[in-house]
Amino acid sequence: GNSVTQMEGPVTLSEEAFLTINCTYTATGYPSLFWYVQYPGEGLQLLLKATKADDKGSNKGFEATYRKETTSFHLEKGSVQVSDSAVYFCALRGGGYQKVTFGTGTKLQVIP
Amino acid sequence: EAGVAQSPRYKIIEKRQSVAFWCNPISGHATLYWYQQILGQGPKLLIQFQNNGVVDDSQLPKDRFSAERLKGVDSTLKIQPAKLEDSAVYLCASSLSGGPQETQYFGPGTRLLVL
Repeated sequence: GNSVTQMEGPVTLSEEAFLTINCTYTATGYPSLFWYVQYPGEGLQLLLKATKADDKGSNKGFEATYRKETTSFHLEKGSVQVSDSAVYFCALRGGGYQKVTFGTGTKLQVIP
Repeated sequence: EAGVAQSPRYKIIEKRQSVAFWCNPISGHATLYWYQQILGQGPKLLIQFQNNGVVDDSQLPKDRFSAERLKGVDSTLKIQPAKLEDSAVYLCASSLSGGPQETQYFGPGTRLLVL
């Protein structure tokens, strides 16, 4: 079945540092890939997505590229802010009405 | 545009009691999802509705969990009787038609504590 593996947290960075959160996946066919973010006390919200190989999703300074050859979708941001402190979930969804499979989440803490 | 609404936000019950959660999706969204998110884990799909029909309930513990979406709009999720391991956040989400590339919009969740 489908699965998502993401790096364990927590990740603690200083403000303006470079962020990478690794995500790899196992799936048949050509899944769509997502990054969701969960701010403290809030529900999940979509951060970015990519629907085919070599697509780059981007939003709010975050980027992730769909790499089929390495089955990866790593999240990056060049300069993090304190307001980026949250839990980040990598997820995939196969074709048709397949359910979304989430990773276990990576907590990011950005300190001033 | 109003988001996905859920109630209650918090619930504390004792084991073996019953509990119900309510969800109102974004207007016009045909697909509704219930997820269970245990602390430290990613959300796990419990059930997916397409209008008022069930598309996937393969991970729903049917001996104690039930869900309905009678008119194809709002939905309720019930647990009866609750167990300690049901302590989790229950998330409702909706999407326009359930396609694989669609964004799912999540509600704030209901945090359940079973004592």
